[in-house]
Amino acid sequence: AQTVTQSQPEMSVQEAETVTLSCTYDTSESDYYLFWYKQPPSRQMILVIRQEAYKQQNATENRFSVNFQKAAKSFSLKISDSQLGDAAMYFCAYRRTYSGGGADGLTFGKGTHLIIQP
Amino acid sequence: KAGVTQTPRYLIKTRGQQVTLSCSPISGHRSVSWYQQTPGQGLQFLFEYFSETQRNKGNFPGRFSGRQFSNSRSEMNVSTLELGDSALYLCASSLSSAGGTEAFFGQGTRLTVV
Repeated sequence: AQTVTQSQPEMSVQEAETVTLSCTYDTSESDYYLFWYKQPPSRQMILVIRQEAYKQQNATENRFSVNFQKAAKSFSLKISDSQLGDAAMYFCAYRRTYSGGGADGLTFGKGTHLIIQP
Repeated sequence: KAGVTQTPRYLIKTRGQQVTLSCSPISGHRSVSWYQQTPGQGLQFLFEYFSETQRNKGNFPGRFSGRQFSNSRSEMNVSTLELGDSALYLCASSLSSAGGTEAFFGQGTRLTVV
């Protein structure tokens, strides 16, 4: 079974600084996607960024970027110029895909609580 | 465009009862997935429906079931409730069931079993 591990239960960063959240995963599959989701106090999960395993180029979305190391099975999230609105739980997730177009459900890590210090 | 709507938002049930939760996906989305979130186990996948067919199922007992209607709305049912079923139940909708498709989540239904 696939597992996703987030080793940092909580991280704190000063506003405007850069922070990196860690994620490792374990799979024997070659076709999959990786995601970072944000869950603010409202509890509504929001997609931050996604990465297809076949793509070597790291995904970037504005201030958010990933460092995808496929061989090491590592998928870290870097948040640049941290803002107060970035404070939330961040979940790393894995989703196995199939050649027929289907996919498994998301497998989530336990999450990292990100605190932004003003 | 309206987001994913889950009803009710909060629910209190007694052990042994059954409960039905509802999820209305974003218009045009045909895939609906359900997740259970608890402090101990975290987020766990329950099942996914696409065009009224269950495509995937997580590792949950048969007491957990679901269905999807022709308008893509979905319901999940938990029978013979146990205290451990207390959780936030999240519904997510997507355009398709393809792996990279963005899942849009609702705000969840908070179920408390007493």
